[in-house]
Amino acid sequence: DAGITQSPRHKVTETGTPVTLRCHQTENHRYMYWYRQDPGHGLRLIHYSYGVKDTDKGEVSDGYSVSRSKTEDFLLTLESATSSQTSVYFCATVTGSGNEQFFGPGTRLTVL
Amino acid sequence: QKEVEQNSGPLSVPEGAIASLNCTYSDRGSQSFFWYRQYSGKSPELIMFIYSNGDKEDGRFTAQLNKASQYVSLLIRDSQPSDSATYLCAVIGGGSYIPTFGRGTSLIVHP
Repeated sequence: DAGITQSPRHKVTETGTPVTLRCHQTENHRYMYWYRQDPGHGLRLIHYSYGVKDTDKGEVSDGYSVSRSKTEDFLLTLESATSSQTSVYFCATVTGSGNEQFFGPGTRLTVL
Repeated sequence: QKEVEQNSGPLSVPEGAIASLNCTYSDRGSQSFFWYRQYSGKSPELIMFIYSNGDKEDGRFTAQLNKASQYVSLLIRDSQPSDSATYLCAVIGGGSYIPTFGRGTSLIVHP
């Protein structure tokens, strides 16, 4: 699993509240990603980072922001959670050669 | 927009048979091709990658790439019930670190 942890692993929150998910890696990989996975949609990229303070949007970035102040940590924030953001969120990194993408264990988020 | 297409399945095969999973992609500039396995409730794990046309074998798994037809496949020989999972195809364009994923094919291997 390339030393990727995610916290929390499960969270239930209410519409309108802010939520922050954390991804931590121990492999010093440059690239980090946040995906969401929903039935019928597969894995969809939310945001990614290519270095400290360097981030960019993915295909479903609306309603999400990210920050990366250290190589090992990549935070995903839902400023005001909505029910449509109920999903499983995966963090991932990729090796320097780009050969292998490793995924964290996932966070199951439920927005009521 | 780059697209990766997979048949959602489920693909059902008997134990011991060959399972064939297929994936097509739209971007002719794609350079790297990956197969991930995802068990229910778990995260995806990489099982194969291939860059060049032809076949690449690793144990019971064979990845096949045909860039002219924009087609990549995964063969699983001697399928086992433990192979039952969703298989995700991913494609990366040249110089990119951003994969495009297919929606996955569900494989069921029945005893």
